[in-house]
Amino acid sequence: DGGITQSPKYLFRKEGQNVTLSCEQNLNHDAMYWYRQDPGQGLRLIYYSQIVNDFQKGDIAEGYSVSREKKESFPLTVTSAQKNPTAFYLCASSIPRRPSTNEKLFFGSGTQLSVL
Amino acid sequence: AQKITQTQPGMFVQEKEAVTLDCTYDTSDQSYGLFWYKQPSSGEMIFLIYQGSYDEQNATEGRYSLNFQKARKSANLVISASQLGDSAMYFCAMREGGGSNYQLIWGAGTKLIIKP
Repeated sequence: DGGITQSPKYLFRKEGQNVTLSCEQNLNHDAMYWYRQDPGQGLRLIYYSQIVNDFQKGDIAEGYSVSREKKESFPLTVTSAQKNPTAFYLCASSIPRRPSTNEKLFFGSGTQLSVL
Repeated sequence: AQKITQTQPGMFVQEKEAVTLDCTYDTSDQSYGLFWYKQPSSGEMIFLIYQGSYDEQNATEGRYSLNFQKARKSANLVISASQLGDSAMYFCAMREGGGSNYQLIWGAGTKLIIKP
């Protein structure tokens, strides 16, 4: 079955620690995205990538880093510089390399990150 | 100013009744797209329906329809004959087409609970 796999489902971070959230897709999509979801708020874009070896900052990139070495994979690292990392993180992908208004996103099942 | 407004934080609806979830948007672009996503307790975002700004007909997908009133800048989701499995968070989102990076702008969501 094609889809997006996020792991782990739950992750705990200690003070000063970097943690990496995994996102893998087998949909052959060019574009991939990372969103942060806080209770009572809409999704906020952290980073996105429209092609391998290229990525752009979203609205809340500070304290996060990404890489896109393979088309299938877009890992997100939450660094110690992110002072309030507790949130639900969603990875998504979409087909086109060139964006358009009708571009539909496909999502993984998310990772809940909490601070110990 | 909020670009996407969902005024109903939560709703209770009797099973088999129709449901209308409100969404108003704000944009000066002529070309834009409007989306509705469902997020069950499992966490994954599921695409429901899309409406383009130039579409003359309201979008429909099975039990879902989008009541698109362009002049009022509203894009309400209508679920006919609600089922227990419809209990979830519902998010409205918009993608603007002019002079932007085409990224989705999300509302804060509405929590829908279907009562048996």
